Amino acid sequence: AQSVTQLGSHVSVSEGALVLLRCNYSSSVPPYLFWYVQYPNQGLQLLLKYTTGATLVKGINGFEAEFKKSETSFHLTKPSAHMSDAAEYFCAVSSTHINNDMRFGAGTRLTVKP
Amino acid sequence: DTEVTQTPKHLVMGMTNKKSLKCEQHMGHRAMYWYKQKAKKPPELMFVYSYEKLSINESVPSRFSPECPNSSLLNLHLHALQPEDSALYLCASSQEGGGQETQYFGPGTRLLVL
Repeated sequence: AQSVTQLGSHVSVSEGALVLLRCNYSSSVPPYLFWYVQYPNQGLQLLLKYTTGATLVKGINGFEAEFKKSETSFHLTKPSAHMSDAAEYFCAVSSTHINNDMRFGAGTRLTVKP
Repeated sequence: DTEVTQTPKHLVMGMTNKKSLKCEQHMGHRAMYWYKQKAKKPPELMFVYSYEKLSINESVPSRFSPECPNSSLLNLHLHALQPEDSALYLCASSQEGGGQETQYFGPGTRLLVL
């Protein structure tokens, strides 16, 4: 079965600094990889996803992620953090185009300091 | 319209009560999902419906009973719940149920079992 590991349950950055949230996956077949964001008392919203093709994926709100098969990683980055980026971020993986059995990582809470 | 709506937003119930959670989407999606999310934890998949048929049941206790009356509606019937069932219950939908699809989440129902 597929799984993801998010390194760091809590990341704190200053406003304007680089954001880097780490995600490593495990899958016996080519994975589909996702980053979702959850603001307090809300549901989840897709930031970006990798299915096939270009390994550098651009998402909403200036975020991007790169699929690196050799490192089994899908880290999320943003060049300059904004206060509004403070939220919980989940990396997720699914492994088949037939059924959606998506599994989430434990999550990383991003804090942005003024 | 990419909205998934859930009612009620909050629910308090006793262990002997019967209640239902409701989820609705009008995006023409044919797959719908129930997740359970405990505080500071990732969402855990409970059930998946694809074309109104139950396709995934993640060994959820029988006190949770899903129902998909049509392609736009998803219900979760609750009976004889335990205090440990208190959580945020999230509904999501996607196009057909494939693993590469984006899931659109509702805001959730926050359930407290006394």
